[in-house]
Amino acid sequence: DAGVIQSPRHEVTEMGQEVTLRCKPISGHNSLFWYRQTMMRGLELLIYFNNNVPIDDSGMPEDRFSAKMPNASFSTLKIQPSEPRDSAVYFCASNKIQGAGHSNQPQHFGDGTRLSIL
Amino acid sequence: AQSVTQLDSQVPVFEEAPVELRCNYSSSVSVYLFWYVQYPNQGLQLLLKYLSGSTLVKGINGFEAEFNKSQTSFHLRKPSVHISDTAEYFCASTRSYNTDKLIFGTGTRLQVFP
Repeated sequence: DAGVIQSPRHEVTEMGQEVTLRCKPISGHNSLFWYRQTMMRGLELLIYFNNNVPIDDSGMPEDRFSAKMPNASFSTLKIQPSEPRDSAVYFCASNKIQGAGHSNQPQHFGDGTRLSIL
Repeated sequence: AQSVTQLDSQVPVFEEAPVELRCNYSSSVSVYLFWYVQYPNQGLQLLLKYLSGSTLVKGINGFEAEFNKSQTSFHLRKPSVHISDTAEYFCASTRSYNTDKLIFGTGTRLQVFP
């Protein structure tokens, strides 16, 4: 069974450019999460979706960041325009949230996209 | 507010020695607790989870953790570590059935020396 797939694995671009990170969740999972990891701030949840609908985007740092989930098998995180302080590793994770009264399933993480903004 | 505190940023230990990685949580409601491991250049993998029931939880790779409600702790332990256990370990919590918003601690770097 394929895990969470993220692309690209590495991205180096110049300040001001648009950056698009991609994620394919595990088939059958109905929730998707975008995280950012830096040395200074650790792991931060940026946004998460349930059944393709954004549920909580309070972690999105500013308007330069946007995320979409057009269908159950694909999501993008876009930064426009990018800045050097956006340099980080961005992780996507997915799981299946069952109804009330059922245990949460653990989140499965992709290998991340290492983003460097020069 | 819900929070997770990992008290040690780094834990050095010799191979075959026991290890404990500490985690404390803060929440006014019931919590679900997790330990994840991150190997270099990889994403996070679930080691173990506590949802309910027995307070001693066994996970993969010989790790276990004990949920202690009175001390609001969920420390991770292994009786004998291997070089391959060198990694970053994250404690995390979430509150409810209906949302899966994980709150992560800052991580503990376990360094196992030969």
